[in-house]
Amino acid sequence: AQKVTQAQTEISVVEKEDVTLDCVYETRDTTYYLFWYKQPPSGELVFLIRRNSFDEQNEISGRYSWNFQKSTSSFNFTITASQVVDSAVYFCALSDLYNFNKFYFGSGTKLNVKP
Amino acid sequence: GAGVSQSPSNKVTEKGKDVELRCDPISGHTALYWYRQSLGQGLEFLIYFQGNSAPDKSGLPSDRFSAERTGGSVSTLTIQRTQQEDSAVYLCASSYGPEEQPQHFGDGTRLSIL
Repeated sequence: AQKVTQAQTEISVVEKEDVTLDCVYETRDTTYYLFWYKQPPSGELVFLIRRNSFDEQNEISGRYSWNFQKSTSSFNFTITASQVVDSAVYFCALSDLYNFNKFYFGSGTKLNVKP
Repeated sequence: GAGVSQSPSNKVTEKGKDVELRCDPISGHTALYWYRQSLGQGLEFLIYFQGNSAPDKSGLPSDRFSAERTGGSVSTLTIQRTQQEDSAVYLCASSYGPEEQPQHFGDGTRLSIL
C-alpha cells in the first residue's frame, strides 16, 4: 500500500537555526514521484520540489535542501538558517510515476520559526 | 495568470443539507483533482478527472459524495445529507495532464457542518 509518514507533528525553532523535516514513504511501485508542498497560514499549497525514484541525487535550492534515500525510503527536507516566513505546514507526498491518479500525502509537519 | 479558483471560500450549513463546491481549474489544464483536508490531517484524495475519461472515484468516502466536471473545465463536488464529519477544507487542484507536475492548488473551501 502507498503511504507517507511524517512523524513530526510540530517543530519549533528559533530564527537562523537549521531544521530537518522527516518523510518516510511506503510504496509497492518501483517508479514513483516524491514531493514537498508548503502550506502557509494563508492556506494555499505551494509546490516546493518533485523528485523521481530514478534520481537519488540530493538537491539544494537556496536555503532548502532535500535528501532522498531509497535504501531507507526517506525524503527529508532541510531548511538552513530558518526564517519566520518559513513558518507553515509542510507536506510530503507520493505519486506513481506513470499513473498520477492519486497523490498520497503525509499528515504534515507544522513548523514554527520564532524570532 | 489566473490560478485555480474555488468557491465559496467558506460554507456553513446545517447537518443533513446538501452542499455544492465549485472549482475552476487553470485554463488548459486537463487533469483536475479534489482533496479533503480535515483538521490536523493531511490531504485525502477524493476524485480525479482527466480529459473526457471516466473519473477515478476511488477516494470518495461514501455515496453521499459525488463530483462532475462539465465541458472538461469547471468541476462541482456535491455532498448530500451532510454530516458533521464532513467538516473540512476541500481543495481542488489542476495540472496540464497526468504526466505533468506539479499540481496547482486552489485556496480551498472551508466547510463547516453545524
